[in-house]
Amino acid sequence: QVQLKESGPGLVQPSQTLSLTCTVSGLSLTSNSVSWIRQPPGKGLEWMGVIWSNGGTDYNSAIKSRLSISRDTSKSQVFLKMNSLQTEDTAMYFCARMYYGYYFDYWGQGVMVTVSS
Amino acid sequence: IQLTQSPSLLSASVGDRVTLSCKGSQNINNYLAWYQQKLGEAPKLLIYKTNSLQTGIPSRFSGSGSGTDYTLTISSLHSEDLATYYCYQYNNGLTFGSGTKLEIK
Repeated sequence: QVQLKESGPGLVQPSQTLSLTCTVSGLSLTSNSVSWIRQPPGKGLEWMGVIWSNGGTDYNSAIKSRLSISRDTSKSQVFLKMNSLQTEDTAMYFCARMYYGYYFDYWGQGVMVTVSS
Repeated sequence: IQLTQSPSLLSASVGDRVTLSCKGSQNINNYLAWYQQKLGEAPKLLIYKTNSLQTGIPSRFSGSGSGTDYTLTISSLHSEDLATYYCYQYNNGLTFGSGTKLEIK
């Protein structure tokens, strides 16, 4: 069955770079697109960006300058890197499969990231 | 496209028919989905393309709408439906609504 699992540091210092990994199973990254979505504590969902099945990327314009999404298809992993972190970047970060680039049908459990010194 | 959900908080009793609203700032062309998020869990897809029920979702959930106005209906509320519900549009960019928190009386 399809599974996604996020991993990464729980705590990041302000101004530093966040690196997260989404490990997928049950699907191939060469024929599926994966997005990152985040959710600050007690708040709503924000789409961050996507890596398409062809390896191309698209990002939310609000954070595009700080964000990079890449992948290693041989390891079935998708990576998120976001620099210049601030306290407002504290959130649960989810990866999710995008069904034909439309909606998110499979989600990881999420990883909580706190930005604090 | 901005999405406005109403109400932000809804309290209802088991067995009630519940209607949640989502309004777009522009025409969404039916490219609208609904998610259910229970406390401490990832969102779960309920409805896609306005009214298509995702596999495994109970038939008491249904969606409708067109243009800028969309609705999620729960025909008979169950206690396990306690959650926050988000609409999401994928017609022009990708955006989520701010959510409706559903409480059980």
